Amino acid sequence: AQKVTQAQTEISVVEKEDVTLDCVYETRDTTYYLFWYKQPPSGELVFLIRRNSFDEQNEISGRYSWNFQKSTSSFNFTITASQVVDSAVYFCALSVSNFGNEKLTFGTGTRLTIIP
Amino acid sequence: DGGITQSPKYLFRKEGQNVTLSCEQNLNHDAMYWYRQDPGQGLRLIYYSQIVNDFQKGDIAEGYSVSREKKESFPLTVTSAQKNPTAFYLCASSIMFAGRREQYFGPGTRLTVT
Repeated sequence: AQKVTQAQTEISVVEKEDVTLDCVYETRDTTYYLFWYKQPPSGELVFLIRRNSFDEQNEISGRYSWNFQKSTSSFNFTITASQVVDSAVYFCALSVSNFGNEKLTFGTGTRLTIIP
Repeated sequence: DGGITQSPKYLFRKEGQNVTLSCEQNLNHDAMYWYRQDPGQGLRLIYYSQIVNDFQKGDIAEGYSVSREKKESFPLTVTSAQKNPTAFYLCASSIMFAGRREQYFGPGTRLTVT
């Protein structure tokens, strides 16, 4: 069975500070995929990133960066120079895809509030 | 514009009534999914469908039913057998491309049953 843990329920930071959202996952599969989604107050989930288990390269996209470490089963997400628009609930998710039979397992989410 | 449409945004029903939530996509995606979200919790999979006229139970299918008569439509019926139907329901779709499959989500329907 798969499991995703987001231990931080809520985080508040002052605008322009950096913030890291933690994600720890569990799976026995050697091939798996990790995701981050953003859920703004409107409710819709916005896809941010997908990473497969064979690619441990860290990724940077603008102010966003992701640190994938298989040794600690973690896939952490950092927002640099946070902005008020970053306020949302962020979900980490795990999928063990059988190329057609994919199910996402979500963490419980981290509510991020950026204080102006 | 391509996307996933869920209607209505807010839905209110009396206890004991069945209610059907709509989900339509014009992305030509083959797979579609229904998730339930409760406050402070992650999303939990209710049902998913990989092809027309076929669907599979997710982790919390009891009290729900679905149909997939058309590729672009995947309605979810919340039956009176669902003990705690009040929740936020999200529909998603995906397609396999270059060995990758990413789920894209609709705006959600917030169902309140009293």
